[in-house]
Amino acid sequence: GAVVSQHPSWVICKSGTSVKIECRSLDFQATTMFWYRQFPKQSLMLMATSNEGSKATYEQGVEKDKFLINHASLTLSTLTVTSAHPEDSSFYICSVLRSHYEQYFGPGTRLTVT
Amino acid sequence: KNEVEQSPQNLTAQEGEFITINCSYSVGISALHWLQQHPGGGIVSLFMLSSGKKKHGRLIATINIQEKHSSLHITASHPRDSAVYICAVRNKTSYDKVIFGPGTSLSVIP
Repeated sequence: GAVVSQHPSWVICKSGTSVKIECRSLDFQATTMFWYRQFPKQSLMLMATSNEGSKATYEQGVEKDKFLINHASLTLSTLTVTSAHPEDSSFYICSVLRSHYEQYFGPGTRLTVT
Repeated sequence: KNEVEQSPQNLTAQEGEFITINCSYSVGISALHWLQQHPGGGIVSLFMLSSGKKKHGRLIATINIQEKHSSLHITASHPRDSAVYICAVRNKTSYDKVIFGPGTSLSVIP
C-alpha cells in the first residue's frame, strides 16, 4: 500500500490566491521530507528539504516567501504556494526519508493557476 | 553530460513483448529508485535498490554498482504499462539529494 499520500491530487485556483498542499507519511515518522516540482516534459527538480521542527532548506532559485513549507509533525509537511501565478502551474511531489537508504515518493499534486 | 542517463528515450512495444529500460549514472550512490509516472502525472514508486535484483510481479529491477548501471525489465508487457519510467539516484556524498533521469516514455500497443 501507499507509504506517502498527498492532498489534494489536483487543484485549480485563481491567480493571486494561495494553495496548500499536504504530504503525509502513512507508515512511519519522518524527520525529513522533500518537495519537488516538475514542469511539463521536464525532470523533477528539488525545491526544498523539510525538517521537522526547523526551517526548511530551499534550493537555489526557489523563493522561500512564495513557497512556504511547514513540517509541523513527524507525519505531515505542507507546501503553501502563496499569491499563485499561472507560471506556478506545475506538478508538485513530496518524498519522505525513512532512513539513509529508504526514500518514498508521494503520488503528486497537479496545480493549475488560471 | 548528465549525471543520470536513460535509454531509450522513447519506446513502443507490442503487447506481450519483453521490455528493458536502462539507466546509467556517473556519481557514487547510496540507492537507486525506479519510478513510474502515468499520463495524468501520478507517480508510483516501483523499486528502491542498493544492490542485486528485485522482482515485483512482472517487473524486475537489477543494479550493478561497479558498472554504475541499472535495468528495469517488464515481462509480458500490457497497454496499462504505458507510462514514463524514471530512474533516480541518491547521491552518496549528499544523501538527501536525489538526481532524476530524463525518463523513458513507454507505449505498449495492443
